[in-house]
Amino acid sequence: GAVVSQHPSWVICKSGTSVKIECRSLDFQATTMFWYRQFPKQSLMLMATSNEGSKATYEQGVEKDKFLINHASLTLSTLTVTSAHPEDSSFYICSASARETQYFGPGTRLTVL
Amino acid sequence: GENVEQHPSTLSVQEGDSAVIKCTYSDSASNYFPWYKQELGKRPQLIIDIRSNVGEKKDQRIAVTLNKTAKHFSLHITETQPEDSAVYFCAANTATSGTYKYIFGTGTRLKVLA
Repeated sequence: GAVVSQHPSWVICKSGTSVKIECRSLDFQATTMFWYRQFPKQSLMLMATSNEGSKATYEQGVEKDKFLINHASLTLSTLTVTSAHPEDSSFYICSASARETQYFGPGTRLTVL
Repeated sequence: GENVEQHPSTLSVQEGDSAVIKCTYSDSASNYFPWYKQELGKRPQLIIDIRSNVGEKKDQRIAVTLNKTAKHFSLHITETQPEDSAVYFCAANTATSGTYKYIFGTGTRLKVLA
């Protein structure tokens, strides 16, 4: 149980384009989903917290107009990186929680050329 | 803001020896402390967790201890095996506007030498 999928697993795009990443909880309903960013050999940095049907709460320093989050249902959240630039290249991981435990997706490696 | 400190950043042990990773948290209201194992390029996997009403929890070769007064919690791995080599993250929950989120430690890279 508690399986979280993420799609795509990797993406390469040109600078200036937008990229959408999907996060799904497959066998449970997630009241809250989280989006993290992880640079090589570093810890997970929380970007935003999203609850189904409400606006996401962004961490300090994260641009909400650049990283658009939509949490349309209890099993799906999307992160759109708008006008991506090379500095946005990173490993993006979502997690979903039903109660206090977070279960992580497999991550999406984004490379912006 | 709230934070979690984790030590050591790297740890090398001989196969069969024990490994201990320590974390300290700042939010006295934190009441849930999970530990995750992350292999290179993969997702963090929950390996054990502890709630604030318990001082110790064990699952086979893995144990976690919690000292609420000192705001310390530790991961203990006994009889280490090469497959235990990975990065381990501790976390503590913290509440913001009614929603709990995690604050992660900086990670410990564990190498088990065969």
